[in-house]
Amino acid sequence: GAVVSQHPSWVICKSGTSVKIECRSLDFQATTMFWYRQFPKQSLMLMATSNEGSKATYEQGVEKDKFLINHASLTLSTLTVTSAHPEDSSFYICSARVGHSGNTIYFGEGSWLTVV
Amino acid sequence: GENVEQHPSTLSVQEGDSAVIKCTYSDSASNYFPWYKQELGKRPQLIIDIRSNVGEKKDQRIAVTLNKTAKHFSLHITETQPEDSAVYFCAASLGGTASKLTFGTGTRLQVTL
Repeated sequence: GAVVSQHPSWVICKSGTSVKIECRSLDFQATTMFWYRQFPKQSLMLMATSNEGSKATYEQGVEKDKFLINHASLTLSTLTVTSAHPEDSSFYICSARVGHSGNTIYFGEGSWLTVV
Repeated sequence: GENVEQHPSTLSVQEGDSAVIKCTYSDSASNYFPWYKQELGKRPQLIIDIRSNVGEKKDQRIAVTLNKTAKHFSLHITETQPEDSAVYFCAASLGGTASKLTFGTGTRLQVTL
């Protein structure tokens, strides 16, 4: 299957600082990427849809000024958690759709964020 | 928006037995239904998917059935093995170029020896 790479795989930061997570599609171009958050023993909750060359579409209840998403190229989307707080600690995972009309979605490895 | 319910939340079966996980969805326009397997701390892996123009799909020990009228779909794993132990998520999507996946709440499958 297609490869989606996410970096870093884990990060610890201090409260009030910002953290950037990268999501790359390695062997295909992704016009659309998705960012999810997953708390322990819970399901994947969609945060936003990242669209190449345009603004991200955020789900209800997700603060767009706190979770900045940039999708500057067809192979890279970034999520920046600004002014992080301990309650932002979670598993963040991206996914990308293969092709313009295909439905198959592949996930990155995920990033564990711990805010102390 | 779409709402996906998944049952059971936990499932324990003996090695060699079959496991069935069921999901229902709310939006009749949804037309793509993938199943993902997630091991602890790792990324979800697509194991099988089905589109609304198909009623059943099988891949070795794994099969998925779809009932569009009732808006439910199920995952069937036969001859379960310990390595099948993981959390399984169903999802539904409207399809199209930017359509998002709505996930079920997950089923923790434990295959015991």
